[in-house]
Amino acid sequence: GAVVSQHPSRVICKSGTSVKIECRSLDFQATTMFWYRQFPKQSLMLMATSNEGSKATYEQGVEKDKFLINHASLTLSTLTVTSAHPEDSSFYICSARDAAIYNSPLHFGNGTRLTVT
Amino acid sequence: DAKTTQPPSMDCAEGRAANLPCNHSTISGNEYVYWYRQIHSQGPQYIIHGLKNNETNEMASLIITEDRKSSTLILPHATLRDTAVYYCIVRAGDNAGNMLTFGGGTRLMVKP
Repeated sequence: GAVVSQHPSRVICKSGTSVKIECRSLDFQATTMFWYRQFPKQSLMLMATSNEGSKATYEQGVEKDKFLINHASLTLSTLTVTSAHPEDSSFYICSARDAAIYNSPLHFGNGTRLTVT
Repeated sequence: DAKTTQPPSMDCAEGRAANLPCNHSTISGNEYVYWYRQIHSQGPQYIIHGLKNNETNEMASLIITEDRKSSTLILPHATLRDTAVYYCIVRAGDNAGNMLTFGGGTRLMVKP
């Protein structure tokens, strides 16, 4: 089945630094990938939609200059949290689907737990 | 996308069937019902989806009522590893740009 790989699974960084998270579709091509964020005891919230070869679309309230998304190829999207602060500590999850298969479901990576100290 | 309503939590005895209900009374004709689950500290895992016919795969069965206003996910023989939050999501059909909107889900606790 379709596999989405996310790296790193866990990262700790100091306040003010930037962190890059990678999301790869391993056995299919994805023109669109989605980035979610999940705070403790809450559900997943969509942050942005990453589109291959074009600008990402951000949900209301998500700062595009803080959460930089690059989708340079059909198998890789990256999320960079710039100038991270403790309130950015969260569980970040990406997802993608195989657009070549009719109505294929979204598959999710295993998430990246970011802790900003 | 149509909104869904699920009970916040359920218990199930190990080895018994777990029946997880979901209401989606405002579902549109082109919207599918998807089920995902999230085990603690992991990304959501796809389980099954359907439009109007009942569906079965190696993980579960999905029963959709004739009027499509509700559905039930059935785990036929629940194990301790099935303890997770289960999300019922309704989403329009094939479109690469269609994301999933997660609600609160049902926290299923499988007990020995």
